[in-house]
Parts: sequence; C-alpha cells; structure tokens
Amino acid sequence: QQQVKQSPQSLIVQKGGISIINCAYENTAFDYFPWYQQFPGKGPALLIAIRPDVSEKKEGRFTISFNKSAKQFSLHIMDSQPGDSATYFCAASDRPGNTGKLIFGQGTTLQVKP
Amino acid sequence: KAGVTQTPRYLIKTRGQQVTLSCSPISGHRSVSWYQQTPGQGLQFLFEYFSETQRNKGNFPGRFSGRQFSNSRSEMNVSTLELGDSALYLCASSFSGSQETQYFGPGTRLLVL
Repeated sequence: QQQVKQSPQSLIVQKGGISIINCAYENTAFDYFPWYQQFPGKGPALLIAIRPDVSEKKEGRFTISFNKSAKQFSLHIMDSQPGDSATYFCAASDRPGNTGKLIFGQGTTLQVKP
Repeated sequence: KAGVTQTPRYLIKTRGQQVTLSCSPISGHRSVSWYQQTPGQGLQFLFEYFSETQRNKGNFPGRFSGRQFSNSRSEMNVSTLELGDSALYLCASSFSGSQETQYFGPGTRLLVL
C-alpha cells in the first residue's frame, strides 16, 4: 500500500517529442505528489508537484496530469531536449504529519536523442 | 544560498566497520531527511530529524542511526557494515519537513568490501 509504481523504466525520445512517464499508487491517504529529476552525480531536484485537488499543473514544458479516481498521475515533458536526459522519479507523501518522508517510484531513465 | 552539502563524497569500508556521514542543510532549514539509493531498491527513506529530534523513521535495522545538532547539521551512522549497505546516501533539507520541497545534497557514495 505504501508503494508508488512507475513506468516505463527507460524511455528514448527524439528531440522535440513528448516524454510521458506514469505513476500509480494504492494508498488513498497520499495527498502530495512531487516529481524529481536527477542527473548523474547529483542529488534529485524538484521539478514540479501537485496535490489531488487539481487535475493538471503546468510549469514551462513540464505538466503533471492527475487522475484521483484511477490513482494515477503522469509527467509530460513537451518539446523534449537533450538536456532533459536524466532520471525522473515520482514520489508521494501521505500526510503533513508524516514528516520528511517521500515514497519514491523506481525511476525512469530518459534519453532524448538529438 | 549555499545548497545542501554532504561529506565525504566517497567512502570505501570493509564489512564489520562503522561509518559516519555528514550533512549540512541549507541555511534556515530545520528538517533533514536521509535516504538510501540503490539500483535495486531505488530511493528509500531512512529517517528525518527536526530540531535535534528524530520525528520519523523508515524500515531500516537499528544499525542505521542518526542525530542532528543545534545548527541543524545532521550525521548518520551505520554500524557493523554489510555488503548490502553499499549505496548512495542522500540527505535532503527543508524548512519544516511537511510536504514541501526537499532539497537534496549530492550524496555520499559508500562502497562496502
């Protein structure tokens, strides 16, 4: 119940294409869903986050779509660029009191070909 | 503002030894979380400290421990190292630790031989 399942494990996209990464969860108590980006040799960095009261959030080329009834959320990267090549993690947190704890998906390695 | 710093960046230890890793959070951040990252298990939460108190703990054995100092700097200790402890250990800081952006350091890569 505490898991967040992420797919695909790896993704290759042409420059200018759309990258889509999906995550699913079972714990209905989850109410905060961030996405992190990690480059080799670096720690993860927050890209964008969403709460279940909205179905979509967009920041630049990055969009989170959220389907509360299906317990799924996804990251769309529009106009993908080679600089977007990195590992992407979805995550979830189940309540403000569960402090400091993020439950991460397994990660998706994205390669954007020029 | 300076980011989260972790020392050392790399460590090689042998089985049975113990190790201490250090994390300096972003100035003003009082919450520090620790994570273990491995290819097989991904990113797993170890524990979180706030104002020198452990507030939250993941499902790791008691060999993994930590502490936080009055300046919010944190250390984690792993005793009686096992081969399976080889991993990237990441710390993350935030203002309160409650569903807000966590800022990660670059990690300490530990290799246990």
